[in-house]
Amino acid sequence: DGGITQSPKYLFRKEGQNVTLSCEQNLNHDAMYWYRQDPGQGLRLIYYSQIVNDFQKGDIAEGYSVSREKKESFPLTVTSAQKNPTAFYLCASSSIWGAEQYFGPGTRLTVT
Amino acid sequence: GDSVTQMEGPVTLSEEAFLTINCTYTATGYPSLFWYVQYPGEGLQLLLKATKADDKGSNKGFEATYRKETTSFHLEKGSVQVSDSAVYFCALSDPANAGKSTFGDGTTLTVKP
Repeated sequence: DGGITQSPKYLFRKEGQNVTLSCEQNLNHDAMYWYRQDPGQGLRLIYYSQIVNDFQKGDIAEGYSVSREKKESFPLTVTSAQKNPTAFYLCASSSIWGAEQYFGPGTRLTVT
Repeated sequence: GDSVTQMEGPVTLSEEAFLTINCTYTATGYPSLFWYVQYPGEGLQLLLKATKADDKGSNKGFEATYRKETTSFHLEKGSVQVSDSAVYFCALSDPANAGKSTFGDGTTLTVKP
């Protein structure tokens, strides 16, 4: 079955540690996205990639980094510079930039 | 810039009631419009879409019509079920804004038996 996988579903870290969230898709999509969702709120775009080996900052990129070395993979690193990293993180992809997005199941990150 | 405004929730309905969730938008260009649904603890799923004026998107009994004159894309369902309880997001993708997607804040729907 084609889709997007995110791992792990739950992640716990101590303050000051970097952590990498995995996102893999087998839909052969060109574009991939990372969003952050806080309780009771909408989605905020962190980073996006329109094509492999290219990515752009979204609305809240500070304290985050990404890479897009393979078409199917778009990992997100939450660095110690991110002031309030505890949130639900969603990865998505679309066949081309601007098309409907397919979302992964999300990773809930808790930093204490 | 682009924006999407959704009806504020939460919305609570009895089973078999009629559902409307309002969505209006502002966009620089001629956007594509989407409704996504998010069940508790999960990612979003595309519910329906429309890409041009007067298009009606439909899926699982839900419908929404792209109204360019009123810049609206209201979600409707004739008879809701308990299993429709979720958060619903209206979104747009604007080719005149580099194809960037903009999401509304989401509307929480609870359906009671």
